[in-house]
Amino acid sequence: DGGITQSPKYLFRKEGQNVTLSCEQNLNHDAMYWYRQDPGQGLRLIYYSQIVNDFQKGDIAEGYSVSREKKESFPLTVTSAQKNPTAFYLCASSRTPGQGNSPLHFGNGTRLTVT
Amino acid sequence: GESVGLHLPTLSVQEGDNSIINCAYSNSASDYFIWYKQESGKGPQFIIDIRSNMDKRQGQRVTVLLNKTVKHLSLQIAATQPGDSAVYFCAENIGGRGSNYKLTFGKGTLLTVNP
Repeated sequence: DGGITQSPKYLFRKEGQNVTLSCEQNLNHDAMYWYRQDPGQGLRLIYYSQIVNDFQKGDIAEGYSVSREKKESFPLTVTSAQKNPTAFYLCASSRTPGQGNSPLHFGNGTRLTVT
Repeated sequence: GESVGLHLPTLSVQEGDNSIINCAYSNSASDYFIWYKQESGKGPQFIIDIRSNMDKRQGQRVTVLLNKTVKHLSLQIAATQPGDSAVYFCAENIGGRGSNYKLTFGKGTLLTVNP
């Protein structure tokens, strides 16, 4: 069935290591997004991509990087420069932005713990 | 601070009762609103959305009301069931048509349904 797949569900890393979170969608959506969710806070936008081979920084992009080489895939790399990387990371997608506003569809998240 | 907030952080109801979850927003330019449900350890699930040219929209067992005069949004769940227990949060789009990356999310209300 169609949806967004994030993997792995849980990820553990040592401080100082880069780590890449996977996000794949088969909804044929053009736009994809990465959010970070921390306890007691609303979702915060890290990066977004409205079309293949193009992406933009969100509100909290420092210490993160992304790529969008394929329509279906939008991996997020958490670099060692990110000061507080431990969080729940959510990937989302939506249909072509130019077609009007539409809801974001989310994956089930990756919980990253850095020690 | 965030322009989207919630009146109540927690709500406890009896099974079969109706639930009302509230959300206040402060940006009068917001033109699109979404309600999401998030169960523990999962990604947010789209419930219902509404555009600013409407004041009410109904789905299956859910109704969203928008009062632009007082900048208030509510989600009504009819005949609440144990499976409705989750965190509910609203999101507003302040960016106009085709700008999903400008969604602002509230912190959420925890709904607990008692059998």
